[in-house]
Amino acid sequence: GENVEQHPSTLSVQEGDSAVIKCTYSDSASNYFPWYKQELGKRPQLIIDIRSNVGEKKDQRIAVTLNKTAKHFSLHITETQPEDSAVYFCAAVSNTGNQFYFGTGTSLTVIP
Amino acid sequence: EADIYQTPRYLVIGTGKKITLECSQTMGHDKMYWYQQDPGMELHLIHYSYGVNSTEKGDLSSESTVSRIRTEHFPLTLESARPSHTSQYLCASSEWPASREQFFGPGTRLTVL
Repeated sequence: GENVEQHPSTLSVQEGDSAVIKCTYSDSASNYFPWYKQELGKRPQLIIDIRSNVGEKKDQRIAVTLNKTAKHFSLHITETQPEDSAVYFCAAVSNTGNQFYFGTGTSLTVIP
Repeated sequence: EADIYQTPRYLVIGTGKKITLECSQTMGHDKMYWYQQDPGMELHLIHYSYGVNSTEKGDLSSESTVSRIRTEHFPLTLESARPSHTSQYLCASSEWPASREQFFGPGTRLTVL
């Protein structure tokens, strides 16, 4: 089955700096890669996603890049703000059955 | 408004009790999931369902059971609660078979004394 690894597990950045979270996956059949943000005490919510036919996607301060050959994808947050502090999860989704494989999460702290 | 609903939101119960965590969705989704998550930690898939009368075990060994008699309803039952079951339980749903976003409910925080 699919195996998703996520790094780092914790990340602290100064407000205004950039943050990068990286994930690798093992199954070449995965074709959908969402990123979820979970604030303290709240449910995970989708912040950005990318499909395997696209190399990069951007939405304001967040962007995701995908390298299918190397089987890795990354989340980039620029101009970080304190409200970006949360746990971020990556996932790889198989092209059959919508089976989600989540990474272990990255706890991001943005220091004002 | 289309959403996923979980009840109760918080539950404190004694060891040995039978409990059912409720999950309902008005998203019109076929696929539903149950995850166990300690605060801020990894999501562990414990059960999922492709639709009515379909139930599958996830990666995390669990003493829970699920049922799917109606598309919108996916309850989780613990026959005999133990302190090791203390955790947050998240219900989720998604379209199937297309690879699409998974939507999460607000969670049930369970404490077993």
